[in-house]
Amino acid sequence: ETGVTQTPRHLVMGMTNKKSLKCEQHLGHNAMYWYKQSAKKPLELMFVYSLEERVENNSVPSRFSPECPNSSHLFLHLHTLQPEDSALYLCASSQDHRPTEAFFGQGTRLTVV
Amino acid sequence: AQSVTQPDIHITVSEGASLELRCNYSYGATPYLFWYVQSPGQGLQLLLKYFSGDTLVQGIKGFEAEFKRSQSSFNLRKPSVHWSDAAEYFCAVGFDRGSTLGRLYFGRGTQLTVWP
Repeated sequence: ETGVTQTPRHLVMGMTNKKSLKCEQHLGHNAMYWYKQSAKKPLELMFVYSLEERVENNSVPSRFSPECPNSSHLFLHLHTLQPEDSALYLCASSQDHRPTEAFFGQGTRLTVV
Repeated sequence: AQSVTQPDIHITVSEGASLELRCNYSYGATPYLFWYVQSPGQGLQLLLKYFSGDTLVQGIKGFEAEFKRSQSSFNLRKPSVHWSDAAEYFCAVGFDRGSTLGRLYFGRGTQLTVWP
């Protein structure tokens, strides 16, 4: 398998649930990102990890908790979400935490009910 | 404030017609420039990028873009659009220094519809 893979592709969860989104990259990159894509809004950068250390937390509510156990895997742990958190969550990776091109996964379509 | 502007929210063209999607940015430093395409339900795929050198860059699927520093623009073009080009297109800007290292700033996107 190549590229950036996200699972699950679709997720429906209640506001009291706890779930996790998973991202795996097979490109040998050492920087990984979480983006949120909502309807009619620009992509919002949520978190940046470089060499498994979080280098940016873009004012994201604590109900979103990222985890990067190694350079190939990135998780987004979700708990007590709100309906307005429904969106497409995109994972991306790049080399050396530089603005070279980012490679994106297909995203997880999250619906909070 | 840093921003990327795609002034056209939605563009409709006939198959075979030429296409130009506009992108303007407002930053002081020399940017790294990207165009991405997103098909429904999919992630973003890189079409082309500009880092330095020749200001006219070629990308995949027959797309090209031209960096015009004086106009702070990086417009995407294709001479003849195919029905499969219908998608949403995003312009993005990044920098290689300072506090914004690694971050990409995206425009709101332009939705392209292609008529047969």
